[in-house]
Amino acid sequence: DIQMTQSPSSLSASAGDTVTIKCRASQNIDTFLNWYQAKSGKAPKLLIYAVTTLNSGVPPRFSGSGSGTDFTLTISSLQPDDFATYYCQQTHSNILSTFGPGTRVEI
Amino acid sequence: EVQLVQSGPEVKKPGESLRISCQGSGYNFFSNELNWVRQMPGRGLEWMGKIDPSDSYTKYSPSFEGRITFSVDKSSSSVSLQWSSLQASDTAIYYCARGMEVAGTGEWFDPWGQGTLVTVSS
Repeated sequence: DIQMTQSPSSLSASAGDTVTIKCRASQNIDTFLNWYQAKSGKAPKLLIYAVTTLNSGVPPRFSGSGSGTDFTLTISSLQPDDFATYYCQQTHSNILSTFGPGTRVEI
Repeated sequence: EVQLVQSGPEVKKPGESLRISCQGSGYNFFSNELNWVRQMPGRGLEWMGKIDPSDSYTKYSPSFEGRITFSVDKSSSSVSLQWSSLQASDTAIYYCARGMEVAGTGEWFDPWGQGTLVTVSS
């Protein structure tokens, strides 16, 4: 099975900051890496798919990068609405998709 | 607008059976797989498996295989997640999510249903 790790598990930031969240896969997953934003009481929302492609309607302050096993989600100029938990997901294994444990972004 | 609408919250006792549903609209329901994702209280997202509405092909995560069943109701463009005997540890929010795929590029989940809270308690 492909295991996903994220760092940090949580971070504190202020509006206007730039934050970086890292995601690592236990083996090469090419570009099969997605990012989601989750808020309590709401359905998770797709932010970025295939490493770098922003989903429709997602502000350009969100960006993704990486390849192989190491990936990064960057949020520039953090907005109040961005305080949430972020999950990476690998879909390289069509048999078993896995999510990272999540990174909580707090004020 | 593409939407997935899930059935309402459930409260059950251990040992009881349960079926929750997810109805798709605004797109060709048979063109995309539907995934199920669990979120236990205070925990992260876990992929449970998926079903292809066009042929009812299913794939279960090994962590859930044998304990859950996916099914399709083509007449109502909906998929269901079923338990025959619930346990307290099944208490969680369950999400359905449409799988989007581009060959060679990847697969991602969009949109997600609003979630169904299942509470199992004696």
